[in-house]
Amino acid sequence: SYVLTQPPSVSVAPGKTATMTCGGDNIGNKIVHWYQQRPGQAPKLVIFYDTNRPSGIPERFSASNSGNMATLTISRAEPGDEADYYCQVWDSSTDHRVFGGGTSLTVL
Amino acid sequence: QVQLQESGPGLVKPSETLSLKCTVSGGSISSDGYYWSWIRQPAGKRPEWIGRIYSTGTTTANYNPSLKSRVTISLDTATNQFSLKLTAVTAADTAVYYCAREMGLNYFNLWGQGTLVTVSS
Repeated sequence: SYVLTQPPSVSVAPGKTATMTCGGDNIGNKIVHWYQQRPGQAPKLVIFYDTNRPSGIPERFSASNSGNMATLTISRAEPGDEADYYCQVWDSSTDHRVFGGGTSLTVL
Repeated sequence: QVQLQESGPGLVKPSETLSLKCTVSGGSISSDGYYWSWIRQPAGKRPEWIGRIYSTGTTTANYNPSLKSRVTISLDTATNQFSLKLTAVTAADTAVYYCAREMGLNYFNLWGQGTLVTVSS
């Protein structure tokens, strides 16, 4: 089945830009979604269809997808952005929704 | 606005059946174009999609291939609920179980708060 690979952790200073990656075989040919999960809470959609922000998600959140890597970028990072971030795709070969292993973002 | 709430036993014995319900409030579960899904997440691990059913219940549910033989998802439009049954559970099925609304190209834009189910004797 399709595998998504994310770095376990990323650190960023407040006010700086955090970049989190999601690797997969030709992931650029798939549609990627991103979720934020704060401790003890359910995941929350922050990006859908590669680059789109749901209503209420700040413009500081952006994303791209090309080749073998998708990227989530958070500009002007804030302490409230600390969370686990998961990428997700639909694997058409198995009709399965696949999640990456998640990246824990620390803002310090 | 639409909200989802999971309910069911928090403790299930090994080899028994895990049964959970998700109540949809603030909107109709039969609204066209939506899928209703179950997702689980063991502590410290990534979410795992379990399966989904279409909002009208007129099509066959889709399941994670690795769980397909043990899972049934059903829809009850009269109560605005959908349900999960997972048979022959083991400790590996211990997780927080979420219900979620799945949109067109397979993303989840609404989640319940989750319910912890522990499999133990």
